[in-house]
Amino acid sequence: SQKIEQNSEALNIQEGKTATLTCNYTNYSPAYLQWYRQDPGRGPVFLLLIRENEKEKRKERLKVTFDTTLKQSLFHITASQPADSATYLCALLYNQGGKLIFGQGTELSVKP
Amino acid sequence: DTEVTQTPKHLVMGMTNKKSLKCEQHMGHRAMYWYKQKAKKPPELMFVYSYEKLSINESVPSRFSPECPNSSLLNLHLHALQPEDSALYLCASSQDGTAGQETQYFGPGTRLLVL
Repeated sequence: SQKIEQNSEALNIQEGKTATLTCNYTNYSPAYLQWYRQDPGRGPVFLLLIRENEKEKRKERLKVTFDTTLKQSLFHITASQPADSATYLCALLYNQGGKLIFGQGTELSVKP
Repeated sequence: DTEVTQTPKHLVMGMTNKKSLKCEQHMGHRAMYWYKQKAKKPPELMFVYSYEKLSINESVPSRFSPECPNSSLLNLHLHALQPEDSALYLCASSQDGTAGQETQYFGPGTRLLVL
């Protein structure tokens, strides 16, 4: 069955450093992969989408890579700030009916 | 307006109660979703409506009954729930649910506690 794994439940880094989060998937060949941010008690907020034919996508301090050979996506936050502290979820579209499957999330904590 | 609103924000109900969760969006989206999220877990899809028709039901127990009265509104009717149904219930919407590159816009959720 399809499986999505984010390699860390929690990641603690110092302000100003680059945070790198990993999303691996198996038994699936998605055309798109998405990353969302979720703050406690709130709904997820869309950050970035990357297509299978795109190696890298950037938005301000965020960068996402997508390696369909390794079946892996990396999510980077450069020059991290305490305000970046949140849970980050990767998500794949299971089929074209809108069924998003989420990884279990990585809780990022950026310390001043 | 890129907002999805949900009411109520919090709900406490007994196992014999009947209650409803409401969701509204005015982005012109034609796909709407209900997700359930337990603490420290990812959102799990429950239902998908596309063009006001139920297109996906993830084998959700019948004590949860979705309704889509029009393209802007989505309800989730609750009846005879169990304590394990306590969770954050999230509503989301997207353009029309048919394109794989669609972004889903989530509401803030309803925190449900079943006693």
